[in-house]
Amino acid sequence: RKEVEQDPGPFNVPEGATVAFNCTYSNSASQSFFWYRQDCRKEPKLLMSVYSSGNEDGRFTAQLNRASQYISLLIRDSKLSDSATYLCVVKGVEYNFNKFYFGSGTKLNVKP
Amino acid sequence: SAVISQKPSRDICQRGTSLTIQCQVDSQVTMMFWYRQQPGQSLTLIATANQGSEATYESGFVIDKFPISRPNLTFSTLTVSNMSPEDSSIYLCSVEGFRGHTEAFFGQGTRLTVV
Repeated sequence: RKEVEQDPGPFNVPEGATVAFNCTYSNSASQSFFWYRQDCRKEPKLLMSVYSSGNEDGRFTAQLNRASQYISLLIRDSKLSDSATYLCVVKGVEYNFNKFYFGSGTKLNVKP
Repeated sequence: SAVISQKPSRDICQRGTSLTIQCQVDSQVTMMFWYRQQPGQSLTLIATANQGSEATYESGFVIDKFPISRPNLTFSTLTVSNMSPEDSSIYLCSVEGFRGHTEAFFGQGTRLTVV
């Protein structure tokens, strides 16, 4: 079983749409949670951290449900520039070392 | 965010040769990691580069094939040895603990093609 599972998509949505991505993780002891964005042929870049209380950054809202081991990302008013792959990332500890676990990514295509 | 310089950005290499990729960070970091990413796939951790000691390798990756150095808290190298076409991939350096940050930051990646 994978540590982090995501729907690979692609999600094809029109500009202005609201789209939601979900992610589940298997290790209940996981410490920190993130969403990263990766553009084609580029490195992943941090989009936002995810907190139990939920957090919002402009059009982006992230939520964490520790009981269900579930993370979500909501994008409102989608822009063409939002087209990318969104990686769900969970940080845990293995043998006293921090380790990041990456989902396979969800591809988003925003169409005019 | 951390400024991470990864070199080379790309290379085309002959099979049987070796390539060393460098990762330089502009500030001391706690952890440095090396990942591989095949086209259309997610990141696979190769190893954690430990300062002053041997790297910690993930299952399926061995030191003879991917020797790693980390002489200090700002620099690491990954060597891909005795390359074959199956080693063609993007290799990414990542750091954690930059100025107290808990998230990971990435270098620009090295796109390797083995012919």
